[in-house]
Amino acid sequence: AQSVTQLDSHVSVSEGTPVLLRCNYSSSYSPSLFWYVQHPNKGLQLLLKYTSAATLVKGINGFEAEFKKSETSFHLTKPSAHMSDAAEYFCVVSDQPYKYIFGTGTRLKVLA
Amino acid sequence: DTEVTQTPKHLVMGMTNKKSLKCEQHMGHRAMYWYKQKAKKPPELMFVYSYEKLSINESVPSRFSPECPNSSLLNLHLHALQPEDSALYLCASSRQRTGENIQYFGAGTRLSVL
Repeated sequence: AQSVTQLDSHVSVSEGTPVLLRCNYSSSYSPSLFWYVQHPNKGLQLLLKYTSAATLVKGINGFEAEFKKSETSFHLTKPSAHMSDAAEYFCVVSDQPYKYIFGTGTRLKVLA
Repeated sequence: DTEVTQTPKHLVMGMTNKKSLKCEQHMGHRAMYWYKQKAKKPPELMFVYSYEKLSINESVPSRFSPECPNSSLLNLHLHALQPEDSALYLCASSRQRTGENIQYFGAGTRLSVL
């Protein structure tokens, strides 16, 4: 069975400092992994995806994530936070047709 | 174009009303999804259509009735809803049914049931 755990429900960073949002997954197969961002009262926007190609995945808006099979992790990072990054972030795992398992989300707060 | 369009953006309805949510995509995707999202929670899968046929119903109450008239359009018909059904309803589409395909989400319909 597949599952995903986002280790922090809230993360606060100062503008211009690095961002780290942590995600661990469990899967019986080779999973696909995604990070989505959701701004208030908006839909979900894909930041990046991993599908068994390069383990370091670059996404939009300066975000990237590294797939570490040995640690079953897929943490999201950004070198320098911007005020516009404040949002809810979801890690998603999928190893079955139609089944996209969402983590519980991490709310990122960016302080001026 | 990676756009999924949902209408209306906001909907207020009484418990005896009948209303419909609409979702449209023109990316040639053959899988379409309805999700329900409560405040501060992740989206919960409701229905999946693949090639215009209902493939997954996650034990959703019958007051929610999905319909897929063609490969570009997905509807969700609502009838006799309860106040606890108030939520953000998200539509998504993906190219095929396999999990590695990206889901593209619409902006959602904010539903309030009075």
